[in-house]
Amino acid sequence: SAVISQKPSRDICQRGTSLTIQCQVDSQVTMMFWYRQQPGQSLTLIATANQGSEATYESGFVIDKFPISRPNLTFSTLTVSNMSPEDSSIYLCSVEDFGDEQFFGPGTRLTVL
Amino acid sequence: AQSVTQLDSQVPVFEEAPVELRCNYSSSVSVYLFWYVQYPNQGLQLLLKYLSGSTLVESINGFEAEFNKSQTSFHLRKPSVHISDTAEYFCAVSARGGGSNYKLTFGKGTLLTVNP
Repeated sequence: SAVISQKPSRDICQRGTSLTIQCQVDSQVTMMFWYRQQPGQSLTLIATANQGSEATYESGFVIDKFPISRPNLTFSTLTVSNMSPEDSSIYLCSVEDFGDEQFFGPGTRLTVL
Repeated sequence: AQSVTQLDSQVPVFEEAPVELRCNYSSSVSVYLFWYVQYPNQGLQLLLKYLSGSTLVESINGFEAEFNKSQTSFHLRKPSVHISDTAEYFCAVSARGGGSNYKLTFGKGTLLTVNP
């Protein structure tokens, strides 16, 4: 299974600022995903990031708010832009391997004041 | 599109008691089914999965789940729980075949609390 790391593990940010979250995988993967887990809630898919193409966003999420980069097969970033307290969540990246299952990173716990 | 319903938001049990966490899904296509576990202040870990074959699947720490197609269920069971099993458990589904149907849809989670 893939080993996934995320940076930062947690952060406290001010309203109106932006934060970029990094996701690093120890092997080359085609599909990477970004999820949000709001307090007390389940996981919601934000977008899918495939190397060499634009990210595909789910309903309710837009590129201006959550720009994503996928420069190679082992790395991706998610930026949370112009943050508000409602953006306080855990953000997780995941990858899909050939076994049709997804492995998750440890998450980035974001608090917006 | 798929949806997942976890009927119990919280399940408190005593140590060494049996437990069942319920999960029902709906889908217009065949699915893969998963249970993920999230221990306090940790990320998600895959607990077990059903892709094909035997409808009863097991994890290394004593959990099992049975895929019931007629009842569209994938309930998680353990005959005797430990305090260390205290965690949030998420049931998830994805459409079979990958491609554009790779998306995981999660239930809202069940908090299992094991008391001494």
